[in-house]
Amino acid sequence: DQQVKQNSPSLSVQEGRISILNCDYTNSMFDYFLWYKKYPAEGPTFLISISSIKDKNEDGRFTVFLNKSAKHLSLHIVPSQPGDSAVYFCAANDQTGANNLFFGTGTRLTVIP
Amino acid sequence: DTEVTQTPKHLVMGMTNKKSLKCEQHMGHRAMYWYKQKAKKPPELMFVYSYEKLSINESVPSRFSPECPNSSLLNLHLHALQPEDSALYLCASSLTPLPGSINQPQHFGDGTRLSIL
Repeated sequence: DQQVKQNSPSLSVQEGRISILNCDYTNSMFDYFLWYKKYPAEGPTFLISISSIKDKNEDGRFTVFLNKSAKHLSLHIVPSQPGDSAVYFCAANDQTGANNLFFGTGTRLTVIP
Repeated sequence: DTEVTQTPKHLVMGMTNKKSLKCEQHMGHRAMYWYKQKAKKPPELMFVYSYEKLSINESVPSRFSPECPNSSLLNLHLHALQPEDSALYLCASSLTPLPGSINQPQHFGDGTRLSIL
């Protein structure tokens, strides 16, 4: 059973506009959420994270928003650049045990020049 | 550039072969992980090593045997694999894995793409 879901397999955005990637989770014990970016033939690269005690974390062009009541998080990229084109994975874990990450199925972002 | 190095990048082996996947990190991380990723699927956790001790084995068949010789190295020994074991094997590392500690992200290598004939 998929505990972390990314319901949009793909997203296309014009260069300079905002990209919004969404993620939903079912496990209320999750308290740490991450976004990874993956290029072909490379491993996932850590992008940004957020703890459950916050509702927003910003790092340059990337902002992650967390809505705990809705069990929903989103990644905003603004302005989007062609180099942002990649597959983005949402991931989550909890503090009850070892650092086991649960991944979503990914969203392929294409930024059109 | 990834700070987690995996070798080899590609591996083709028969079902009777014995081979090993290697992973190395020099970031001082004390938790290391093996994940398996099938095509168009998310990575799935296989093993977790915490301070060089195996702390999680996610019901992985015994034909996969992990080893952590020291805090920088993680191996995955393979023997008598099946065709369905063909996948991308990802290694990751993170700072202290202690429950209740401040969360730290996992950093991944580029993976070993394994094909079983």
